[in-house]
Amino acid sequence: KAGVTQTPRYLIKTRGQQVTLSCSPISGHRSVSWYQQTPGQGLQFLFEYFSETQRNKGNFPGRFSGRQFSNSRSEMNVSTLELGDSALYLCASSSDSFPYEQYFGPGTRLTVT
Amino acid sequence: GQQVMQIPQYQHVQEGEDFTTYCNSSTTLSNIQWYKQRPGGHPVFLIQLVKSGEVKKQKRLTFQFGEAKKNSSLHITATQTTDVGTYFCAGRKTSYDKVIFGPGTSLSVIP
Repeated sequence: KAGVTQTPRYLIKTRGQQVTLSCSPISGHRSVSWYQQTPGQGLQFLFEYFSETQRNKGNFPGRFSGRQFSNSRSEMNVSTLELGDSALYLCASSSDSFPYEQYFGPGTRLTVT
Repeated sequence: GQQVMQIPQYQHVQEGEDFTTYCNSSTTLSNIQWYKQRPGGHPVFLIQLVKSGEVKKQKRLTFQFGEAKKNSSLHITATQTTDVGTYFCAGRKTSYDKVIFGPGTSLSVIP
């Protein structure tokens, strides 16, 4: 099976702009989660989608949003970018059955200048 | 809110020495997972523990889940340079709750 893919891999944006990141999960996985990883804060949970519905949400401002399509592909959007949004954004998909392990994509490295 | 802590933050060992990282949750967990992230890479699933007091082994790695299901540990025997990376524990309160990752323990192995 193909792994989790994320596009783009690298992105440079300016403060105030918006950005959309894409994630394609492993075939058959209906759950997709998004994480923000920074050196100081580790892996912070953003949100989880299951069958097009947001199942869980982390403690991020409303500028961070996401959605999932019927083919389980997911996108996350960050509006009005701030310098502090510079991070590695990781997407992970997981199966519906035990042990629900998460398979991570390579991430999108976002730099906000 | 739920918090997951890990100690130590960093560990430098000589090749061949043992290594242990500890994970503690502020709440009881339904399960705990361990992931390894190599430098420049993404987290890779290692194992999941579900039962109170559970112990699982993968070659030189031994994973334990505490009796109260609030703490866990990962022990590596006779470290090798291939063990270098950051080890994260991650837990959920229930199977449908969000996964909370610990801050990770970064392991360096000196050859």
